[in-house]
Amino acid sequence: DQQVKQNSPSLSVQEGRISILNCDYTNSMFDYFLWYKKYPAEGPTFLISISSIKDKNEDGRFTVFLNKSAKHLSLHIVPSQPGDSAVYFCAASAKGNQFYFGTGTSLTVIP
Amino acid sequence: SQTIHQWPATLVQPVGSPLSLECTVEGTSNPNLYWYRQAAGRGLQLLFYSVGIGQISSEVPQNLSASRPQDRQFILSSKKLLLSDSGFYLCAWSGTGLYEQYFGPGTRLTVT
Repeated sequence: DQQVKQNSPSLSVQEGRISILNCDYTNSMFDYFLWYKKYPAEGPTFLISISSIKDKNEDGRFTVFLNKSAKHLSLHIVPSQPGDSAVYFCAASAKGNQFYFGTGTSLTVIP
Repeated sequence: SQTIHQWPATLVQPVGSPLSLECTVEGTSNPNLYWYRQAAGRGLQLLFYSVGIGQISSEVPQNLSASRPQDRQFILSSKKLLLSDSGFYLCAWSGTGLYEQYFGPGTRLTVT
């Protein structure tokens, strides 16, 4: 049972525009959410996170929004750059020991 | 600073052969350790996690096993590989009480 879902397998965006990556979850016990970026043949790298007590967290060009009532989170990248092209995974945790990852969204930023 | 090592980077093994993948972490003590698998076209599937030496929790029943013989060493094993074991295996660590996980470079396993 997939508790974290990323329904868009791919996304293409023009350089300089906003990229919005979406993630839905089913488990209301999740209290911490993370986004990871992954290049081919490499391990994911941590990008940004948000606690369930917040609805927004910003770090430079990256902002994560959390809508607990909808069990939905999104990652905004603005402005998008070609180097942002990668697969993005969202992940969720309850209590911090176990993490559940989505299937990923492949972002392509077109120069 | 902390670093995480995984080896080998790539591995091709026949069906029915054994498997041993090793992961070590440097620069931290008593980390939480994790094994994930990314199958083709799929997300990251948590296989095992460990909060201490000899403490292993399994998330998915399968023919794989994990061991943690030392504080910063995590080993993924199989006695007999199946074709379905092919995938990209990732080891990760996190600090006690912290949520962010840090991943190793991964091992690409192809079972033929």
